[in-house]
Amino acid sequence: DQQVKQNSPSLSVQEGRISILNCDYTNSMFDYFLWYKKYPAEGPTFLISISSIKDKNEDGRFTVFLNKSAKHLSLHIVPSQPGDSAVYFCAAPGFRGAQKLVFGQGTRLTINP
Amino acid sequence: NAGVTQTPKFRVLKTGQSMTLLCAQDMNHEYMYWYRQDPGMGLRLIHYSVGEGTTAKGEVPDGYNVSRLKKQNFLLGLESAAPSQTSVYFCASSYTERGGYTFGSGTRLTVV
Repeated sequence: DQQVKQNSPSLSVQEGRISILNCDYTNSMFDYFLWYKKYPAEGPTFLISISSIKDKNEDGRFTVFLNKSAKHLSLHIVPSQPGDSAVYFCAAPGFRGAQKLVFGQGTRLTINP
Repeated sequence: NAGVTQTPKFRVLKTGQSMTLLCAQDMNHEYMYWYRQDPGMGLRLIHYSVGEGTTAKGEVPDGYNVSRLKKQNFLLGLESAAPSQTSVYFCASSYTERGGYTFGSGTRLTVV
């Protein structure tokens, strides 16, 4: 029962363009969402979050959009830079009704020069 | 400024062998977690702890045991390793359950 799903295993974007990473969730009780970024041989690091009372949260080049009716969130990176090449995980605090984070499968983003 | 430290970073085990993965955090966090990362599966919660002396099962606990005898340490044990336990293991800690997780750099385990 994958509660948080990232259906695109990989994404390739040209440097300077917009990267859009998508995430779907099944549990309408989720009230908070996070994005983590992971480089090879490192642990995931927190990138940005959004509360369900908002539909948008922006932090520099990174913006997360939340569509509660569609149970969908997306991460926009504008403009994309080579250092953005990493695996991105979306997550929500909702493991079996408790508040432990459940993660999506991850999307590998490659930024091409 | 170490954060979360995992040891070892790499290990190869034979089927049936046992081992313990150590996680240490220096941020005085109450909550600690063990996740495994597998291709196409993302990060899955194995076990977690909400404080010293406590442990609880996560999503994929079978074949693993944990202990939290000291607040700063969270140990993950494999009693009899199986090839299905080949994975990258991440430890994390946090002040709250809902986020602010700090992850270690991972342990790559191969069971042959």
